[in-house]
Amino acid sequence: DAGVIQSPRHEVTEMGQEVTLRCKPISGHNSLFWYRQTMMRGLELLIYFNNNVPIDDSGMPEDRFSAKMPNASFSTLKIQPSEPRDSAVYFCASSSPGQGRAGANVLTFGAGSRLTVL
Amino acid sequence: AQSVTQLGSHVSVSEGALVLLRCNYSSSVPPYLFWYVQYPNQGLQLLLKYTSAATLVKGINGFEAEFKKSETSFHLTKPSAHMSDAAEYFCAVSGLSGTASKLTFGTGTRLQVTL
Repeated sequence: DAGVIQSPRHEVTEMGQEVTLRCKPISGHNSLFWYRQTMMRGLELLIYFNNNVPIDDSGMPEDRFSAKMPNASFSTLKIQPSEPRDSAVYFCASSSPGQGRAGANVLTFGAGSRLTVL
Repeated sequence: AQSVTQLGSHVSVSEGALVLLRCNYSSSVPPYLFWYVQYPNQGLQLLLKYTSAATLVKGINGFEAEFKKSETSFHLTKPSAHMSDAAEYFCAVSGLSGTASKLTFGTGTRLQVTL
């Protein structure tokens, strides 16, 4: 099992450019999450999907951010246009249905995409 | 709404000493509680989780945590610290309802282990 795969690992871009972060969840996992980590705000949940359907996007900062999950094995997080304050590490995580209640399921995190917007 | 508070953003212990990382939770429903560890330039890994079975939960790498409802706490401990334990540790809470493990994380505690 290759785990949750994120790309790119590092991205440096200029303000105003479009940024696309990609995530491949673990096969068989039906929930996918996008988190953002910064020194100031810690770990914030941006959006999560269940069976490819967005369930809660209340953490998406503003309209410049969008996320899609066209199929069970791929998701993207897009920022357009990017701004310096978007600089952060973006994590994708996935979880499986499990045996018990959904709230007890364990998230498996990818290694993250470090975004720097100049 | 659910939340967790981690007391102490930095904790420093000597190798071989007891590790105690504090976490208090707030939840209107019985919570599921988790501890995750993050090593430099890596994603988060699960250490252990509490899901209303035993109140004392054992995890990987010798860590354990005890759920205390009366104190709304879920502190993480390890009897003897090792240099390899140096990392950032996150407490997280998830509710009973909902369709997935929507975790709310604490602000993290960076553990430093010295010789």
